[in-house]
This record gives sequence, structure tokens and C-alpha cells, in this order.
Amino acid sequence: QQQVKQSPQSLIVQKGGISIINCAYENTAFDYFPWYQQFPGKGPALLIAIRPDVSEKKEGRFTISFNKSAKQFSLHIMDSQPGDSATYFCAASASGGYQKVTFGIGTKLQVIP
Amino acid sequence: NAGVTQTPKFRVLKTGQSMTLLCAQDMNHEYMYWYRQDPGMGLRLIHYSVGEGTTAKGEVPDGYNVSRLKKQNFLLGLESAAPSQTSVYFCASSYSFISPFARDSGFAGANVLTFGAGSRLTVL
Repeated sequence: QQQVKQSPQSLIVQKGGISIINCAYENTAFDYFPWYQQFPGKGPALLIAIRPDVSEKKEGRFTISFNKSAKQFSLHIMDSQPGDSATYFCAASASGGYQKVTFGIGTKLQVIP
Repeated sequence: NAGVTQTPKFRVLKTGQSMTLLCAQDMNHEYMYWYRQDPGMGLRLIHYSVGEGTTAKGEVPDGYNVSRLKKQNFLLGLESAAPSQTSVYFCASSYSFISPFARDSGFAGANVLTFGAGSRLTVL
């Protein structure tokens, strides 16, 4: 049972364009939604995260949009650069005590010059 | 700080051989995890530990065993390797929800994972 559905699985974007990756979740107990970025040959690393009490969080060129009623959230990469080429994982978990982190399937982003 | 260190980085095994992957973290994290990453499957949790001396099964525990004798180390063992265990294995750690680090990050109660660089295992 895939509790966090991520799409697309692969994405090719022109340099300077906007990259958009979408995720949907089912468990209403989730209250923490991070995005992890993974470069080839490396482990995933936390990129940006959001709580459901806000609809948007921006850090530099990276923005998370959150729609609580639709149980959806998305990552937008503005002015995409070749250095952004990586695999992106959305994730979700609840808070308090040990809470399992559920990952999406991942999106391989390629930004072409 | 080294963060999360995994050894070895690469290993080739024959079917039926055994081996152990070592994960070490120097951040005094309470929680540690082993994931496997396969194409089209994302990250799947094998086993995890919420403290020294404790372990628990994740989503795909069959064929693996783990031990956490020391807080900073989490070992993943394959007793009899199979080709289906060919994968990239990632160790991760995180602080507990009551940690002051959790509160300072603005995500009190959240489970923020720090991953190692991965161990690529091929079973022939």
C-alpha cells in the first residue's frame, strides 16, 4: 500500500524553466512533509519541509505548495539549473514518539542546458 | 562531524555468502534505520532501531538481521545472500522528537533523517 503517491517518475526540464513534482497522501495523521534531494552516488538529504498549518514555504528557488483539503503537496523549482539534476523524494510522517517516514517513489529530474 | 558513515561502499557476493554492513553515526541520534533503494521502488525500510539494544522490522525485513549494541552503530547482516538482495543500501539516523535539536529546527516532533552515502551490494 503506497501511502504517498509521487509523480512523475522522471522529468526533463529546460534550464531556466520550472520543475514541478507532485505528491498525494492518504493518512490524515501525517503532519510533517519533507522533500529529500539525492544526487547520483550520494544519500538523500533534506531539502525543504512543511507543516500543514501553512499553504506554502519558500527557500530560495525551492517552494513547497500544500493543499490540506486535497491531501496534496508539490515541489516547485524555479529557474531550474543543471545542478538541480537529481532524484527528489517527497515524504510524510506524523509527529511524536517514533513515527515512520513514508517516502514517495522518487522523481528523477534532468535539467538540460 | 562525519555524520553517517557506511562501510563498505561496494561489495560483490556470491549467492549463499554472508556479510555485514556497518553504519556509524557521530551525532548522538537515538533512531537509526536501514533502507534499500531499487529502481522504480523508492526507499524501502528494512529494519530500524529506536535506541541502543532495540530493533524492529520495517517493510521488507526478510533475509536481513540487524543489531544495535552501541548507540552509534547499527549493523545490517545478510546470512545467506540472494540475487534479489542486489541493491543500494542506505543507513540513516535521526534525533528523537524530544531532542532540543528537534525543537530548534522548528519541527518539534518531526523525524528528520540524515542519510549515509550508501553501500552498493551485488549478489551473483
